Amino acid sequence: GESVGLHLPTLSVQEGDNSIINCAYSNSASDYFIWYKQESGKGPQFIIDIRSNMDKRQGQRVTVLLNKTVKHLSLQIAATQPGDSAVYFCAETTGGSYIPTFGRGTSLIVHP
Amino acid sequence: SAVISQKPSRDICQRGTSLTIQCQVDSQVTMMFWYRQQPGQSLTLIATANQGSEATYESGFVIDKFPISRPNLTFSTLTVSNMSPEDSSIYLCSVEDASSFEAFFGQGTRLTVV
Repeated sequence: GESVGLHLPTLSVQEGDNSIINCAYSNSASDYFIWYKQESGKGPQFIIDIRSNMDKRQGQRVTVLLNKTVKHLSLQIAATQPGDSAVYFCAETTGGSYIPTFGRGTSLIVHP
Repeated sequence: SAVISQKPSRDICQRGTSLTIQCQVDSQVTMMFWYRQQPGQSLTLIATANQGSEATYESGFVIDKFPISRPNLTFSTLTVSNMSPEDSSIYLCSVEDASSFEAFFGQGTRLTVV
């Protein structure tokens, strides 16, 4: 189940389920978006990115969807595994800036 | 990709003291950054470490509290000065790949001030 909050801070799923992690951003000028995964005791690790001229991008087991109309970003993880348990952050940049602005983060817990 | 070594990985410090965190990158990089991640929170940029010049600090962070050195293109230090319990946090070094916009992070330094 989900913990209900402004940005869904905790998401619990069963192994094998698909997970969807959501992120709302506020800057309509943002043109580049990134998802990071942060495991306990480690720094964030790049997962996938998407530019504002796209609305969908797929990687290995992950898909990022971008809805610029409502300023919403989502990360879909297919066939979630226990190793996917981590905190996931969305981040955005604007106008070629190298410095991402990080969202609050969602803790994903995968139960075997 | 860049491999970043950060040390110490964790420390417990007395209030009023200072701690210097080191960040070593395995390749020359132009952009190096320092972030703070408070418990259960997201990452907040402290400053951009500029090689050969003073660091560029974000709003709410000042050089006297967080002095930064960047002597070359592979190394930087962040000092947390005159620490208080409110400084307890994870401090992260990051570098940016100029060609891909991908950011790489060190494993972080978990600081506890008692």
